[in-house]
Formats: sequence, structure tokens, C-alpha cells
Amino acid sequence: DSGVTQTPKHLITATGQRVTLRCSPRSGDLSVYWYQQSLDQGLQFLIQYYNGEERAKGNILERFSAQQFPDLHSELNLSSLELGDSALYFCASSVAPRVDEQFFGPGTRLTVL
Amino acid sequence: DAKTTQPNSMESNEEEPVHLPCNHSTISGTDYIHWYRQLPSQGPEYVIHGLTSNVNNRMASLAIAEDRKSSTLILHRATLRDAAVYYCILRDVGSSGDKLTFGTGTRLAVRP
Repeated sequence: DSGVTQTPKHLITATGQRVTLRCSPRSGDLSVYWYQQSLDQGLQFLIQYYNGEERAKGNILERFSAQQFPDLHSELNLSSLELGDSALYFCASSVAPRVDEQFFGPGTRLTVL
Repeated sequence: DAKTTQPNSMESNEEEPVHLPCNHSTISGTDYIHWYRQLPSQGPEYVIHGLTSNVNNRMASLAIAEDRKSSTLILHRATLRDAAVYYCILRDVGSSGDKLTFGTGTRLAVRP
């Protein structure tokens, strides 16, 4: 158990809908990262937040957005969902940016029908 | 982003050493070499990292070539629990953020 929690574990929705994935980092960690893992693209970095502010951006679509709240939990919002958005979404956390180890949560499996 | 190349799959026998290779010929001077592994149905898990010198920790050893264009993750005695996908990643600490760029990884199977 990494100490990172993600909810929900599974999410099934329809094309065109909007969903919110939630992540609680390990106690004491200030930085949160979001990754997408799909069969054809592998694990891809989406976005990083540190203490409420965006720190780095990867291959995140404009339909996706994220934020980190004052209590340090983070949410990833996915809108206008397409079939290709079906994937595992992982959240990771670390004490600070640019540290050696990121701790990954168990992931949220999103299925878009 | 600098890229890594790994074999798609490898097999090992339980309790034998395993050497997982990684090529990263375009590595830059500020890139650290990180290894993560992903056990079935779990999120990735940090294994080890290094810059120039060989590194050891409780999980594994990392051997880095002198020119840094390749590295090898060494599991000294493979167990069934080590069956996973192992990712070799170059991490750029020069940027303000911190993103891990995962490649396709090596799927390690461990035979009892």
C-alpha cells in the first residue's frame, strides 16, 4: 500500500459525458501527478501540481483539466468523453517536485461505452 | 524527451539473478536513470535510480555504463513476486517540473 488513495476504483460512463477522478496523496506529500495508461499508448504523464499550483504539463488533452485543493487532494476532470479515453488513470505523489521517488495509487479504471 | 529501449519480455527462474538491460543512447548530462516496476493490477512502484555510479538498495542493483548510454537493472535472486513489467525511465531534473516518461517496458516472467 503506497498511501495514495484514488476513487472511484471503476467508472463506466457513456460518450459525451463528464467524470471526475479523485486522488488523495500520501500524508505530507505536496506534489501530485496524473498519468494515463491505455493499451495503445502505454503510461503517459498528464500533469503535475505542487502545493496547489500547476508545475508541469504533459500530453493532457484540452478536454481534460485538473486541480489541487488546499487540503492537497487533487481531482482530474475529463469531459466530452470519447471511446479512446477508456484507460487506467493513476495518481502519484511525492514530498516535493524533483524528488527521487513518486508513490503511485492503485488507479481508476475508466470505461467509456 | 530522451528515449529508452528495452526488450519486450524476459524470463527467469526463481532464485536466479536477472539482468534487465536498457539502452538510452540520447541521454543528456542532467538525466537521471530511474527504474519502476508495475506488478499485475497495481500502480507502478519505484525500484532504484542513479546518475553515473552503480547503485544498490534493498530491492535491486543498478549498473550504469561508463558512457551512460546503457544501464542494467539486476535482481539478485528473482522471486515469483518479481514478475512484473519493468520500466527504464530517463528523468530530467533540469526542468521546473518533474515528469516521468515511461517507455514500453520489459515484461519479466519468473518460473518456479
